[in-house]
Amino acid sequence: QVQLQESGPGLVKPSQTLSLSCTVSGGSISSGIYYWSWIRQPAGKGLEWIGRVYTSGSTNYNPSLKSRVTISVDTSKNHFSLKLSSVTAADTAVYYCATDRAAQGVWYFDLWGRGTLVTVSS
Amino acid sequence: SSELTQDPAVSVALGQTVRITCQGDSLRSYYASWYQQKPGQAPVVVIYLKNNRPSGIPDRFSGSSSGNTASLTITGAQAEDEADYYCNSRDSSGNHYVFGTGTKVTVL
Repeated sequence: QVQLQESGPGLVKPSQTLSLSCTVSGGSISSGIYYWSWIRQPAGKGLEWIGRVYTSGSTNYNPSLKSRVTISVDTSKNHFSLKLSSVTAADTAVYYCATDRAAQGVWYFDLWGRGTLVTVSS
Repeated sequence: SSELTQDPAVSVALGQTVRITCQGDSLRSYYASWYQQKPGQAPVVVIYLKNNRPSGIPDRFSGSSSGNTASLTITGAQAEDEADYYCNSRDSSGNHYVFGTGTKVTVL
């Protein structure tokens, strides 16, 4: 069973770049079964999809964040990463990584990490 | 529009049935999936591909869709079903995901 674990700094200064990794265990990130997604949730608010990456490196990003987001995959380390630049307090949230798999061509978020809180503050 | 709208909160008596709806133009073209989130926990998928349940999800959860509205029904709600529920689907372009605004379900 694939499991996901987010890691990275819990505190980032305004205007800097938020960097998180998601380590995949129990399976290969190169399996081709999944896309690998990042999703975030500000405290007390709803979920926001950030973007996803495929094993090939192909990406899709939320249009509202696209100018600041980079998601990449490292098959040698079996993990994928999120970089969000020029952060502000509005980027403070719990960040989740998730697997994005297809059933009969319809994609859904199958497995989720436990999430990691990132606070943007000076 | 790329938005998915849900009622903010609904309540249901223990053992009764509750339906949670999700409205959006993109639902005319794309299926919704549904996620349950309990306080302090990551979301868990309860319905995908309109009305499929992952292993371990009770059969009291079911999904349906008509026009621009997707629905999640809990038949015989249990205390442990008290949670936030989010729908998810593609936006109108089909290239990006969007989550619904979320519904808090209270079991009385």
